[in-house]
Amino acid sequence: QVQLVESGGGVVQPGRSLRLSCAASGFTFSNYAMEWVRQAPGKGLEWVAIISYDGTNKYYADSVEGRFTISRDNSKNTLYVQMNSLRAEDSAVYYCARTLRGVSPSYFDSWGQGTLVTVSS
Amino acid sequence: AIQLTQSPSSLSASVGDRVTITCRASQGISSALAWYQQRPGKPPKVLIYDASNLESGVPPRFSGSGSGTDFTLTISSLQPEDFATYYCQQFNTYDLTFGGGTKVEVK
Repeated sequence: QVQLVESGGGVVQPGRSLRLSCAASGFTFSNYAMEWVRQAPGKGLEWVAIISYDGTNKYYADSVEGRFTISRDNSKNTLYVQMNSLRAEDSAVYYCARTLRGVSPSYFDSWGQGTLVTVSS
Repeated sequence: AIQLTQSPSSLSASVGDRVTITCRASQGISSALAWYQQRPGKPPKVLIYDASNLESGVPPRFSGSGSGTDFTLTISSLQPEDFATYYCQQFNTYDLTFGGGTKVEVK
């Protein structure tokens, strides 16, 4: 059974940094591209970034390009996102999600429960 | 980025009703569309992919249709567990984008 467990969320001041993690189990993590999707409280869904199965290819939403970095450690079955220069509008529940089609644009077949990030002074 | 417009943004329905939600893309996306269901406090769950393919384990009362710019999610007979918010998502190009959501409420 696919399981994705995010961690690392919390309250952070504007301009500061935060790193989120997503621990994967129940499938061969190193075979799949992985993504981050976020959802501001009471709002809709926003795609953030994708990383290929081996970490060599990465794509980002325009809203986070240059501030967020997605990475992975296949030896630890863990996905990360390093979030720098955080803004109030980055406040959201961050979900990690699995995709089935490499780094080609695709849908998300499995999701974690999410971790809440609040950017506030 | 490709914009997805869902309608209605909310609807009220009763158990047993047939429910239809539409999603319109700002440009053609072929069949690169998925539908998700999200219950409060939970992550989204994929229902339909490639516009009309039912995800494994999803009840057959859910169906999807359309291609190009106009898509539809239909629930043939609404069940109590179907009261939730539904989102469409395009995966024709990056940035991947979602519709604004349709909340299905109890009438």
